[in-house]
Amino acid sequence: AQSVTQLGSHVSVSEGALVLLRCNYSSSVPPYLFWYVQYPNQGLQLLLKYTTGATLVKGINGFEAEFKKSETSFHLTKPSAHMSDAAEYFCAVTEKRNNFNKFYFGSGTKLNVKP
Amino acid sequence: EAQVTQNPRYLITVTGKKLTVTCSQNMNHEYMSWYRQDPGLGLRQIYYSMNVEVTDKGDVPEGYKVSRKEKRNFPLILESPSPNQTSLYFCASSLIGVNEQFFGPGTRLTVL
Repeated sequence: AQSVTQLGSHVSVSEGALVLLRCNYSSSVPPYLFWYVQYPNQGLQLLLKYTTGATLVKGINGFEAEFKKSETSFHLTKPSAHMSDAAEYFCAVTEKRNNFNKFYFGSGTKLNVKP
Repeated sequence: EAQVTQNPRYLITVTGKKLTVTCSQNMNHEYMSWYRQDPGLGLRQIYYSMNVEVTDKGDVPEGYKVSRKEKRNFPLILESPSPNQTSLYFCASSLIGVNEQFFGPGTRLTVL
């Protein structure tokens, strides 16, 4: 089974500062990788995903993530934080099983953006 | 509008009183799944379904039942809820072979 580790359950940045949310996974084969965002009292929304091809993936709201196979990492970044980015972020990895992809989620990182 | 809906959104109940949380999707997705979200544990899969009448256990199935009689609906049943099932529950769906899962808005369940 896969495991997904998100370093830091809470991250606090100032508005305009760099956002860096860390994600490492345990897969020994190239996985599919995802970042989801959860705003208060809402469901999860896909931010970006990596399947194949370019290892730097751009998502919505100015976020991007880079797949680094050698480091088994898929860290999420945004150059300049906005107050509206305050949310909980989940990294996920899939493992192929019986013709579908089973999702494994990290424990989440809550991003706080200070004015 | 393509969406996954869940009802109810909030539910407070007592130990042992059977309850059902409904989930419905309008995207003709074959795959549907239930997760529970607990602080510090992320999302853990309870049950999933590959298609009508095809269901299987996820990582934390104890105390839950599901059924998939129609493609669009995937209800979660708690026959005898206990306080340790107090959690935030999400339903999700996707096409088989496609990676993105679409999530419902969540159901916050409290079992007293």
